[in-house]
This record gives sequence, C-alpha cells and structure tokens, in this order.
Amino acid sequence: EAGVAQSPRYKIIEKRQSVAFWCNPISGHATLYWYQQILGQGPKLLIQFQNNGVVDDSQLPKDRFSAERLKGVDSTLKIQPAKLEDSAVYLCASSLYSGGGLSTDTQYFGPGTRLTVL
Amino acid sequence: GNSVTQMEGPVTLSEEAFLTINCTYTATGYPSLFWYVQYPGEGLQLLLKATKADDKGSNKGFEATYRKETTSFHLEKGSVQVSDSAVYFCARTGSGGGADGLTFGKGTHLIIQP
Repeated sequence: EAGVAQSPRYKIIEKRQSVAFWCNPISGHATLYWYQQILGQGPKLLIQFQNNGVVDDSQLPKDRFSAERLKGVDSTLKIQPAKLEDSAVYLCASSLYSGGGLSTDTQYFGPGTRLTVL
Repeated sequence: GNSVTQMEGPVTLSEEAFLTINCTYTATGYPSLFWYVQYPGEGLQLLLKATKADDKGSNKGFEATYRKETTSFHLEKGSVQVSDSAVYFCARTGSGGGADGLTFGKGTHLIIQP
C-alpha cells in the first residue's frame, strides 16, 4: 500500500514570496491533516479536512495560510507571503475516519516538506 | 486546552539498558494516546497506541499503559538497541474523539550507545 506522498521535499524561498505544498493521501482515506513542525518541537495541527470539507482550522494563520482539498483527495497548502518564522517542516497525514462518531483511526504521516525562508 | 508534556532530551543510554520516557497529558475528555517515532531521515511512524484507560499498547518491545489516575502514558522498553536511536513523540487526540488532530509533546531524542 502506497503511503502519504508529499512534494516538494525541500523548498527555499525569500521572505514575502509565496509557496505551495502538495499532498496525496493514502487511497480511501477520508480525513487529511496538515501539521507544522518547527525545529525542536512537536508537530502542530494547522488544518483538518474530512472529505473536502474543513473540520478544524482554528490554528491556521488565515491571513497568510490557505489550504484546499478539491474532490476530497489531494490537498494543497499555500503560504503567501512567507515570513521567516514559517521555516519548518510541513507534514501531511491521513486517516480512514469518515465521520459518524468516536474513532481511533491511526494517522499516517508523509515524509514532509522542509521549508526554509531567508 | 489540551497539552502533552514529555521529558526533555537528549536521553543517552547504553545498549541493553532499560528505557523509560515519561509522558503526561491534560485530563480533558477521553483522548486516545499515541507514541510516534521519527528515525533519522525518515517520517513520523506510529509506534503504539491506547484508546482507553488501562489499555496497554505494545510494539517492537516497547510498551505504554494508559493511566487515567495519573494522566500518564510512559514509554518503556526492557532492553534498548542502537537501532532504537530516534526522536520519540507522545501525542493525544482532542476531547471530541479519535479523528481529532493530534496534540504532540516536544519530542525526546534517544541516543543508544553500543
């Protein structure tokens, strides 16, 4: 079974530029998550989708970050304009959960995109 | 809000030593608890999980027991190997159920010396 795919793996940009990351979840997984992992810290949830609807975006800095999941499969996360403090690894994860109550479906993580903002 | 606290690293042990990495969580709702591991140059992998009080998760010789009375989920292994060197993250779900996004601890870097 193919895992969660992400691209690019690395990206270096200047501050105030824009950047986009792409995620392809495991086939059949209804729920998709984007996390930000700053060096030396644990991942922090940015946004959660169930199919193509947003479930939780309370920690997404909406003035500069946006995300979409068209057709309930692939997702893109965009930063515009980037700041120095956005330097981090951006992780995408997916799980089977499709709604309907409590669930403990495991989240599977992709390899991440390492963003450096200069 | 929800939070997870785990012991600071790095933790350096000799091969075959006993390992404990402490993890405590805020006592809100009925979260599921997880340990994830990140080997050098690789992505996050689920190591083990527990979904309710007194459950014990286990995998690859690692164990952790969901202790509601102490709000803890400590990771243990009886005899560590050099290949266990990695960063270990404790995590919990939100109060709304297992599909919530995870809240992670800061991670503990484990170094095993031969």
